[in-house]
Amino acid sequence: DIQMTQSPSTLSASVGDRVTVTCRASQSISSWLAWYQQKPGKAPNLLIYKASSLESGVPSRFSGSGFGTEFTLTISSLQPDDFGTYYCQQYHSYSFTFGQGTKVEIK
Amino acid sequence: EVQLEQSGAEVKKPGESLKISCKGSGYSFTNYWIAWVRQMPGKGLEWMGIIYPGDSDTRYSPSFQGHVTISADKSISTAYLQWSSVKASDTAMYYCARRQVYSSSWHPFDYWGQGTLVTVSS
Repeated sequence: DIQMTQSPSTLSASVGDRVTVTCRASQSISSWLAWYQQKPGKAPNLLIYKASSLESGVPSRFSGSGFGTEFTLTISSLQPDDFGTYYCQQYHSYSFTFGQGTKVEIK
Repeated sequence: EVQLEQSGAEVKKPGESLKISCKGSGYSFTNYWIAWVRQMPGKGLEWMGIIYPGDSDTRYSPSFQGHVTISADKSISTAYLQWSSVKASDTAMYYCARRQVYSSSWHPFDYWGQGTLVTVSS
């Protein structure tokens, strides 16, 4: 099974800060990597797919990069509404694995 | 508008059977996969399995194979997740999510249901 490891587990940042979350795969997944945001009590929401493609309706301050085993999610200027937990997911073929999540708090 | 409407919260005793549902609307139900994802209290997301309602092709995560059954009734655009005998450790929020079929590219889960909270307690 492919394992996904996110870091950090928690981060606290101020409005306007640039925020980066990292996701590492235990083996190459090409670009089959998605990022989701989940707010408390809500279902996850797709932000990024194919490592760097922005889902329709997602603000352009969100971006993704990476290939193979190393990926990053960047929020260029953190906004109050960006609090929540972010998950990466590999989705190659019929195997799906999520990272353990990164909780983003607004200072 | 694409919607995945899940059945309501359930409270069960250990050993009871359970079946929860996920009804799709606003799109062609038989042309997309439906996945089930578990989230235990305060924990992360775990993929359980996925079904293609068009022909009922079903794949399971090794962690959940044999513990749950996924099915679908395409005539009513509904997918199901069922247990024959629930345990306290099945207490969790369960989400269904849609996945586009492969078309020269793999796809993640683009729409999610609102979740069904399952509580198992004696």
